[in-house]
Amino acid sequence: AQTVTQSQPEMSVQEAETVTLSCTYDTSENNYYLFWYKQPPSRQMILVIRQEAYKQQNATENRFSVNFQKAAKSFSLKISDSQLGDTAMYFCAYSLVSGGGADGLTFGKGTHLIIQP
Amino acid sequence: DAGVIQSPRHEVTEMGQEVTLRCKPISGHDYLFWYRQTMMRGLELLIYFNNNVPIDDSGMPEDRFSAKMPNASFSTLKIQPSEPRDSAVYFCASCRDNQPQHFGDGTRLSIL
Repeated sequence: AQTVTQSQPEMSVQEAETVTLSCTYDTSENNYYLFWYKQPPSRQMILVIRQEAYKQQNATENRFSVNFQKAAKSFSLKISDSQLGDTAMYFCAYSLVSGGGADGLTFGKGTHLIIQP
Repeated sequence: DAGVIQSPRHEVTEMGQEVTLRCKPISGHDYLFWYRQTMMRGLELLIYFNNNVPIDDSGMPEDRFSAKMPNASFSTLKIQPSEPRDSAVYFCASCRDNQPQHFGDGTRLSIL
């Protein structure tokens, strides 16, 4: 079974700083997706970024970027110029690619990120 | 374009009662997922459907839990009888093909 591990239960940084959230995963599959989801206090689950395992290039979305190391099974999220609105739980998730269709997500336990003013 | 709609947003009921959670996926999405979030276990996949057919229900905790998808625009998750340990936030999500899943706002369930 696939597992996702987030080793940082909580992190706190000052506004405008850069912060990196860690995630490692375990799988024997070669083709899969990795995700970062954000959950603010409103409890919505918001997709931040997605990485396809067969793509070498790291995904980026504005201030959010990932460092995907397939051999090391590592998938970290970097948030640049952090803002107060970035305060939230961040979940790393894994999904198998199954014949072009979808599969369920396996989540890590989350990192509570606090941006201090 | 409406997102995934879940109801109710909050549910408080007594142990032993039947609980029904509802979900309307995004129109055109052919996959629907039910997840549960607790402090102890985090986010867990309970079951998912493709074209209204259950594909994987291995995450359903026990026989007290059941899920149905009678048509492409509606799904229910039922707990009967409910127990205090079922208290959690239940999320529904939907997607098309291998696109990212869109989540509803969740139902916070409290069993007294």
